[in-house]
Amino acid sequence: DAGITQSPRHKVTETGTPVTLRCHQTENHRYMYWYRQDPGHGLRLIHYSYGVKDTDKGEVSDGYSVSRSKTEDFLLTLESATSSQTSVYFCAISSPSIRYTFGSGTRLTVV
Amino acid sequence: TQLLEQSPQFLSIQEGENLTVYCNSSSVFSSLQWYRQEPGEGPVLLVTVVTGGEVKKLKRLTFQFGDARKDSSLHITAAQPGDTGLYLCAGSSNNAGNMLTFGGGTRLMVKP
Repeated sequence: DAGITQSPRHKVTETGTPVTLRCHQTENHRYMYWYRQDPGHGLRLIHYSYGVKDTDKGEVSDGYSVSRSKTEDFLLTLESATSSQTSVYFCAISSPSIRYTFGSGTRLTVV
Repeated sequence: TQLLEQSPQFLSIQEGENLTVYCNSSSVFSSLQWYRQEPGEGPVLLVTVVTGGEVKKLKRLTFQFGDARKDSSLHITAAQPGDTGLYLCAGSSNNAGNMLTFGGGTRLMVKP
């Protein structure tokens, strides 16, 4: 019913381990985005997708990769997590009229 | 790089007071959006303004887009504790990825 869901909601991981966050939409929207939100920095774009297998880098893409094999799923992977990647991660989808709908976020802690 | 600066960053007021939040840029945007975010949740779209000088009202909230489409304001009349949250402005410039540029946010606390 929410149109967009993120999983997991919370995760604690160790430095150096790979982590994958999942975003799932039921709206069939073309555009999907991954943001991170940190105090003092607002929302910063990590990567975005404009279609299946079509992705591009955002403002803070270093250390992150994404994949979109289906319209409904957009995965964000931290290849080797670092403490600087401790953050709250939000996925968003955009309608053709650029109305964004955000997921509820994933709080990631890298220890 | 387009930047959006919001002010103030923090605002703590009593219930019933009025307040204005500003969103400024040196860049022109094709549209400007305002979002509200509550703790533990993602931002939720409140309004989109697209025409220079446009004013939109949403109950006690009044949104204005500057004539030159470089700035916007959000005015809340008779604030309520339920208005507490993080308010974010975001600008669109008709780019290929439908990307928005977000301001840093204004954290509002309304005390009963």
